[in-house]
Amino acid sequence: AQSVTQPDIHITVSEGASLELRCNYSYGATPYLFWYVQSPGQGLQLLLKYFSGDTLVQGIKGFEAEFKRSQSSFNLRKPSVHWSDAAEYFCAVALTGGFKTIFGAGTRLFVKA
Amino acid sequence: NAGVTQTPKFQVLKTGQSMTLQCAQDMNHEYMSWYRQDPGMGLRLIHYSVGAGITDQGEVPNGYNVSRSTTEDFPLRLLSAAPSQTSVYFCASSPVAGLSYNEQFFGPGTRLTVL
Repeated sequence: AQSVTQPDIHITVSEGASLELRCNYSYGATPYLFWYVQSPGQGLQLLLKYFSGDTLVQGIKGFEAEFKRSQSSFNLRKPSVHWSDAAEYFCAVALTGGFKTIFGAGTRLFVKA
Repeated sequence: NAGVTQTPKFQVLKTGQSMTLQCAQDMNHEYMSWYRQDPGMGLRLIHYSVGAGITDQGEVPNGYNVSRSTTEDFPLRLLSAAPSQTSVYFCASSPVAGLSYNEQFFGPGTRLTVL
């Protein structure tokens, strides 16, 4: 069955430090992959997505993610974290040809001064 | 352009009560969906619709009904609320064309507590 795993429930990073959030997926076909961010009390907003082409994708707010087929991973990165990046981050995979998206459990990011 | 709107923002129900969570979008999106968000479980798909008059079940449909009479609206009904339905509910929409790689637009959510 298809699944998305985010191994880290929460991560704490100092402001200005780099960030990497991990995401692994299980899906037989070529996946469509997404990262969404949820600020406290808000709905989800798309950060970036991958569906073909260059395996390094750029998103909003200075985020990027790299698709590695051999590792079934789609990790999210940011070189320098800002306090406003504190939020919950969800990795998701859309099933090809279907109408369903599977979300990971999320990683909550805390940013310390 | 309001995007996806949800009402109410908060709701407390007693076990056995019924209610409808409202969702509307003004982007003329054909695809709409309902998710519930529970701690440690991410978002799980309840029901979805690919157009007016067309709905289908998601991952966790039991205890919920939906209908889609217009493109804009996609209400979620709880016929007999149970404490296990305490959750945050999100509605989302997306264009159908190329759905697999289209962004979903989310509403702000409804926090439901069932006592």
